[in-house]
Amino acid sequence: AQSVTQPDIHITVSEGASLELRCNYSYGATPYLFWYVQSPGQGLQLLLKYFSGDTLVQGIKGFEAEFKRSQSSFNLRKPSVHWSDAAEYFCAVGAGYGQNFVFGPGTRLSVLP
Amino acid sequence: SQTIHQWPATLVQPVGSPLSLECTVEGTSNPNLYWYRQAAGRGLQLLFYSVGIGQISSEVPQNLSASRPQDRQFILSSKKLLLSDSGFYLCAWNLRGMPGRNEQFFGPGTRLTVL
Repeated sequence: AQSVTQPDIHITVSEGASLELRCNYSYGATPYLFWYVQSPGQGLQLLLKYFSGDTLVQGIKGFEAEFKRSQSSFNLRKPSVHWSDAAEYFCAVGAGYGQNFVFGPGTRLSVLP
Repeated sequence: SQTIHQWPATLVQPVGSPLSLECTVEGTSNPNLYWYRQAAGRGLQLLFYSVGIGQISSEVPQNLSASRPQDRQFILSSKKLLLSDSGFYLCAWNLRGMPGRNEQFFGPGTRLTVL
């Protein structure tokens, strides 16, 4: 079965600074990887996804993520953070079979003015 | 386009009372449907998923149950709520086929407080 870890529970960055949120997964085959964002009191919104091909994936809101098979990682990045990016971020991995995604525990992002 | 609705948006219920949360999806057919719960400051816990009408799989033993009376309707119920049932309940759907490959789309959630 697949699993996901997000080592950082809470990250604080200044507005305009760069951001990297870490995600590590465990899965025996090629994973399907996703990043979601959740604003307080809201549902989850898909930022980007990786299935195959180019390992650098572009998403919405200026986010990108890079799949590194050798490190079993799928880190999310943004070159310049905006105050509106403050939210909870979830990494998820899906298998090619089975009904479930597995979500990581989430990383809460705070943005300082 | 597809949309997913959940209601109510917020709910305050006494311990021991029943519960019914509803989720409906529009703009697609034969979706997989999911119920998740988020306790305060916690991640997502998958409660139930369904691949078709009347087909429910439970991931966590608890006093909750789910039903799918129609293709695009998913209901979460309880006969007697516990304090520990408080949380944020999210419904999600994705396409059939290879569900691990298809991204899940989430509803706006229901905030449940059990007093």
